[in-house]
Amino acid sequence: AQSVTQLDSHVSVSEGTPVLLRCNYSSSYSPSLFWYVQHPNKGLQLLLKYTSAATLVKGINGFEAEFKKSETSFHLTKPSAHMSDAAEYFCVVTILQGGKLIFGQGTELSVKP
Amino acid sequence: DTGVSQNPRHKITKRGQNVTFRCDPISEHNRLYWYRQTLGQGPEFLTYFQNEAQLEKSRLLSDRFSAERPKGSFSTLEIQRTEQGDSAMYLCASSLVLSPTDTQYFGPGTRLTVL
Repeated sequence: AQSVTQLDSHVSVSEGTPVLLRCNYSSSYSPSLFWYVQHPNKGLQLLLKYTSAATLVKGINGFEAEFKKSETSFHLTKPSAHMSDAAEYFCVVTILQGGKLIFGQGTELSVKP
Repeated sequence: DTGVSQNPRHKITKRGQNVTFRCDPISEHNRLYWYRQTLGQGPEFLTYFQNEAQLEKSRLLSDRFSAERPKGSFSTLEIQRTEQGDSAMYLCASSLVLSPTDTQYFGPGTRLTVL
């Protein structure tokens, strides 16, 4: 079975400081991993995805994530937070291309001025 | 590419009533997915279609729930005899499977409130 655990339900950072959102996964097979972002009253938007190519994945808006098989982790980072980054972030796993997505519980990111 | 659209955006109903939601995927996308998201949780998979065939259903999809995609384009999700526990955001996504950019694109969701 596949699952993801987002280690923090809420993260608060100051504008201009680094962001780290943590995600651990469990999968019996080689997974595909994603990060999606959900702004209030807006649909889920794909930030980035890992599909067994480069382990360091760059996404939109300056976000990136590193796949670490030995640690079963896929943490999301950004060097410098912006106020517009405040949103809910979901770590997601799937094992089948085009198959169902399995979401983590979400991490709410707050950015203080 | 106009994105995935869902209607209605909000639905308030009384317990015991039937409701139907519609999802229009991105044109040419052959897969369509339904998810449910309750407050403070991540979305949970309900079912998905490839063209008009329903390929997988979650155990979350009780007998009161039925989904269709009759012509392989738009889809409907019907809930019969609604219960308060059905209150949630219902999300639709679509993708073009086996394409180099096989990614699920989500609609804005339909928020259901059962009184």
